[in-house]
Amino acid sequence: KQEVTQIPAALSVPEGENLVLNCSFTDSAIYNLQWFRQDPGKGLTSLLLIQSSQREQTSGRLNASLDKSSGRSTLYIAASQPGDSATYLCAVQGAQKLVFGQGTRLTINP
Amino acid sequence: EAEVAQSPRYKITEKSQAVAFWCDPISGHATLYWYRQILGQGPELLVQFQDESVVDDSQLPKDRFSAERLKGVDSTLKIQPAELGDSAMYLCASSLAAWTGLETQYFGPGTRLLVL
Repeated sequence: KQEVTQIPAALSVPEGENLVLNCSFTDSAIYNLQWFRQDPGKGLTSLLLIQSSQREQTSGRLNASLDKSSGRSTLYIAASQPGDSATYLCAVQGAQKLVFGQGTRLTINP
Repeated sequence: EAEVAQSPRYKITEKSQAVAFWCDPISGHATLYWYRQILGQGPELLVQFQDESVVDDSQLPKDRFSAERLKGVDSTLKIQPAELGDSAMYLCASSLAAWTGLETQYFGPGTRLLVL
């Protein structure tokens, strides 16, 4: 059974800092890995999707990497802004379904 | 930009009552998903539809939950009777094609359920 773990559960940093969120998964037989953002009480917004054959994806200030062999992904956020405050979830697409981690709650302090 | 619509956004009910949630996916999306998200956790898949057919409902508590997508467009998730442990956010998502494992899922705003 696929298990997805995100560390840390919560992170608070000053505005302007670069930061890294971590995601690990137990089964490397995946189709893709996705990073989502969730604002309080809202739905999920897809940020980046990395296919299993890819190593990384970039969108603006966000860069996600995937190391399938070690079961790890990172989400790098450059020059953080208060508007980046949200919960970030990684999810792994296996043969049957999308399995989510529990998320990292990120707070960017002005 | 097209979005997944869900209603109601909030629902408060008493235990043993029946509740229903509605989802309208992005037009043309063949695959529809219902997830349950308990506070502080990631979403968990309850049921997946391909057009009007159920593809996966292995995690759906079938003694009290039911889901349908009669015409392969919008969908309804029902709970009867509701229990205290059903309090959660219920998220609907859709994706474009028949499942390939490569496409992004687009999520609606969710329905937050509180069972008293």
